[in-house]
Amino acid sequence: ETVMTQSPATLSVSPGERATLSCRASQSVSSKLAWYQQKPGQAPRLLMYGASTRATGIPVRFSGSGSGTEFTLTISSLQSEDFAVYFCQQYNNWPPVTFGPGTKVDIK
Amino acid sequence: QVQLQESGPGLVKPSETLSLTCTVSGYSIRSNYYWGWIRQPPGKGLEWIGSIYHGGYTYYNPSLKSRVTISVDTSKNQFSLRLSSVTAADTAVYYCASVDHSSGNPYFDYWGQGTLVTVSS
Repeated sequence: ETVMTQSPATLSVSPGERATLSCRASQSVSSKLAWYQQKPGQAPRLLMYGASTRATGIPVRFSGSGSGTEFTLTISSLQSEDFAVYFCQQYNNWPPVTFGPGTKVDIK
Repeated sequence: QVQLQESGPGLVKPSETLSLTCTVSGYSIRSNYYWGWIRQPPGKGLEWIGSIYHGGYTYYNPSLKSRVTISVDTSKNQFSLRLSSVTAADTAVYYCASVDHSSGNPYFDYWGQGTLVTVSS
């Protein structure tokens, strides 16, 4: 099973600042990595797939990069609606599909 | 746009079988399908349970495989999850979701709102 880790666990950022979230895989997942955003009481929302392709309707301030075992999600200028938990998910080595434990982005 | 809605009992007794249904609207399951179930224990992360692909091909998390069945009912535009011999560790919000239909790659582009299932006597 491919184990996903995310850092940091919590990221405190001021509105308008840049946020950089990391995701690491225990073995190569090529570029088969997705990112999700989850707000309290809501289902996850797909942000990114293929490591760097934005899903439909996702603002350009979200960008993804990386391949192999190291990935990054960047939010260029945090808006109030971006404060949430972010999960990465690999879909290269499956079953099982596996998710990271999440990074919480909160207001500094 | 695809919409999904989970339904089923919110409380299940230990050792019994959890059964949930996901009703799909805005898309005909009959034409093609790639669907999945994911769960999230309260305050914790996401765990993939399994997926079902067109033709009835199913893929399950090895950690749950002996207890899980996912099936499709095209006549009702629904797919279902059964998880047997549940324990308190199976208490979670259960989500149904759509696998990306354009590629079949198992990431999830549309999600239901989720339903909390508590395992307790």
